[in-house]
Amino acid sequence: AQSVAQPEDQVNVAEGNPLTVKCTYSVSGNPYLFWYVQYPNRGLQFLLKYITGDNLVKGSYGFEAEFNKSQTSFHLKKPSALVSDSALYFCAVRGSGGYQKVTFGTGTKLQVIP
Amino acid sequence: GAVVSQHPSWVICKSGTSVKIECRSLDFQATTMFWYRQFPKQSLMLMATSNEGSKATYEQGVEKDKFLINHASLTLSTLTVTSAHPEDSSFYICSAILQGVYGYTFGSGTRLTVV
Repeated sequence: AQSVAQPEDQVNVAEGNPLTVKCTYSVSGNPYLFWYVQYPNRGLQFLLKYITGDNLVKGSYGFEAEFNKSQTSFHLKKPSALVSDSALYFCAVRGSGGYQKVTFGTGTKLQVIP
Repeated sequence: GAVVSQHPSWVICKSGTSVKIECRSLDFQATTMFWYRQFPKQSLMLMATSNEGSKATYEQGVEKDKFLINHASLTLSTLTVTSAHPEDSSFYICSAILQGVYGYTFGSGTRLTVV
């Protein structure tokens, strides 16, 4: 069975500092990896995905993520955090091939402190 | 880009009544849609996979008679919470996959409160 782990329930970072939100995964075969952001009482917004190719993936709002196959990780990063980045972030994985189910991590609340 | 519209965004209903939530793909056809439930401070739990023109596939532990899913067209899937009870109060989110695209597009969610 596939799974996603987000080890931190909450990450606090000062505005302007770099941020990292951690994610590790387990899946059979090649992974398709995603990051989504959720604001209060809203649906999920797509940030970025890794399917194949370069391990460093750039996405929306200045976010990027690095795929590390040996460590089965897909950490979300941003060089300089904004207060408006404060939200709930979900990492997700699905296996390749067909319409496979997406498995979500438990989410990490990012709090950017002014 | 692919847009999924979910309606209503919030609803309050009395215990024992039924509530219907709609999920529409606005600019693409979605043969498969997914319904999730999210509890406070928890991740998304997949409830069922909705397939156009056929019966939905429910995840283990999800009551199919309580959460009725209909996917009658390529652009519309509905979730009906029947005989709602306070424990059904939750945030429900639908998503759809655009053929040929690897990611999923999510609706804006529906906050259901049963009183």
